[in-house]
Amino acid sequence: GENVEQHPSTLSVQEGDSAVIKCTYSDSASNYFPWYKQELGKRPQLIIDIRSNVGEKKDQRIAVTLNKTAKHFSLHITETQPEDSAVYFCAASIQSAGGTSYGKLTFGQGTILTVHP
Amino acid sequence: DSGVTQTPKHLITATGQRVTLRCSPRSGDLSVYWYQQSLDQGLQFLIQYYNGEERAKGNILERFSAQQFPDLHSELNLSSLELGDSALYFCASSVRQGGNNEQFFGPGTRLTVL
Repeated sequence: GENVEQHPSTLSVQEGDSAVIKCTYSDSASNYFPWYKQELGKRPQLIIDIRSNVGEKKDQRIAVTLNKTAKHFSLHITETQPEDSAVYFCAASIQSAGGTSYGKLTFGQGTILTVHP
Repeated sequence: DSGVTQTPKHLITATGQRVTLRCSPRSGDLSVYWYQQSLDQGLQFLIQYYNGEERAKGNILERFSAQQFPDLHSELNLSSLELGDSALYFCASSVRQGGNNEQFFGPGTRLTVL
């Protein structure tokens, strides 16, 4: 089955700096890669996602890049703010209407991001 | 608010007992997924239902079972509970299998087994 590795496990930055979290996946059939932000005791919230037919996607201060050949995708947060502090999870999924897998997410281990004021 | 609801928020019970967790998907979503989040195992997929039918199974123990009802709400049943079952249990819903399948998570049920 799919295996997703996420690094680093903890990341500490100063407010205004950039933060980068990296993930690798094992199943070349995976074609959907969401990122979730989870605050302590709360639900995971989808912040951005990318599909395998796209190499990069941006949404304000957040961007995600995908390298299908290397089976690698990354989350980039620019101009970090204290409210960005949370646990971030990457995930991989196979989205196929006619296939045998129906969108279950395989998550990375999570990255604890701390943004210091 | 994701539109996905889960009850109860917290559940404290003893080993050997049985509990039922409930999830109502976002209006119009046909698919429900259950995930378990524990400190040592992270977020793990348990099981998925689509329009009342089981569609995918992950690392779900035989002591656990689930179903999705005609009104599309889902229940996760955990029996013969062990200390190691203590975790946050999330359900997520999405619009349809395949295609644009963003999953939106409910607030979770925190299960504590004493």
